[in-house]
Amino acid sequence: DAKTTQPNSMESNEEEPVHLPCNHSTISGTDYIHWYRQLPSQGPEYVIHGLTSNVNNRMASLAIAEDRKSSTLILHRATLRDAAVYYCILRVQTSGSRLTFGEGTQLTVNP
Amino acid sequence: EAQVTQNPRYLITVTGKKLTVTCSQNMNHEYMSWYRQDPGLGLRQIYYSMNVEATDKGDVPEGYKVSRKEKRNFPLILESPSPNQTSLYFCASSLARRSTDTQYFGPGTRLTVL
Repeated sequence: DAKTTQPNSMESNEEEPVHLPCNHSTISGTDYIHWYRQLPSQGPEYVIHGLTSNVNNRMASLAIAEDRKSSTLILHRATLRDAAVYYCILRVQTSGSRLTFGEGTQLTVNP
Repeated sequence: EAQVTQNPRYLITVTGKKLTVTCSQNMNHEYMSWYRQDPGLGLRQIYYSMNVEATDKGDVPEGYKVSRKEKRNFPLILESPSPNQTSLYFCASSLARRSTDTQYFGPGTRLTVL
C-alpha cells in the first residue's frame, strides 16, 4: 500500500483554524485519500475522503494538491472536542476495505 | 441509532483460557473486520468478512478465529490466549468493501492476558 507521512503532533488554539498536512508522494491514480480521527478512549471515526477535487462536509474540508502528492485536512474552527489523533489513509482499490493506519498526528487544542 | 457494539469493553484473563469478544452492527453492513491497536504499531487488521460465511485473514491473524453466521454479528475468538495478545481491539463494519465506503468502528475492547 502507498505510504503517508504526517507530523507526529500539532497544536492549535480553540476557535482557530487548523491545517493538518499529509504527504503521499507514491499515490496512484485510483487511490482515495481518507481521513479518520480517534478521540481519547474511542474507536476511530470517519472524517472525510476525496479523490482529486477539494471536498467539504460538516466536520471538515479536504484540500488536495493538484499533483495529488499531498493533502491537507482543514478544521475551520477548532474546539476542545477536536483534540484527537488524525489519520491520513490511502484507500487502494485492490485492497478494498482494509484501512492501513499509520501513526497519525496528535492534535492538541488549547483553550 | 446506527452503531457497532462490542462486548465486553474490558477483559482480564489468564493464558490459555478461551474467550470470545462479540461484535454486532445494526446497519445491515456486508463488510466487517477486526483490528488490534498497539503502541507504536498503529491499528492492524486481524480478520475480515465480506458477507455471511465469507471470512479471510488480515495482516495479523495468528492466534485468532472468527465466524460470520449472521450478517449482524462477527465474533472474535481466542482459543488459547497468550500475553502477546494483550491489546486494544476494535470491530468495524462498512456497507461493502469499496474503497469509498466509510468504516464504522466500535468502542473497543481492552484485553489483558496474564
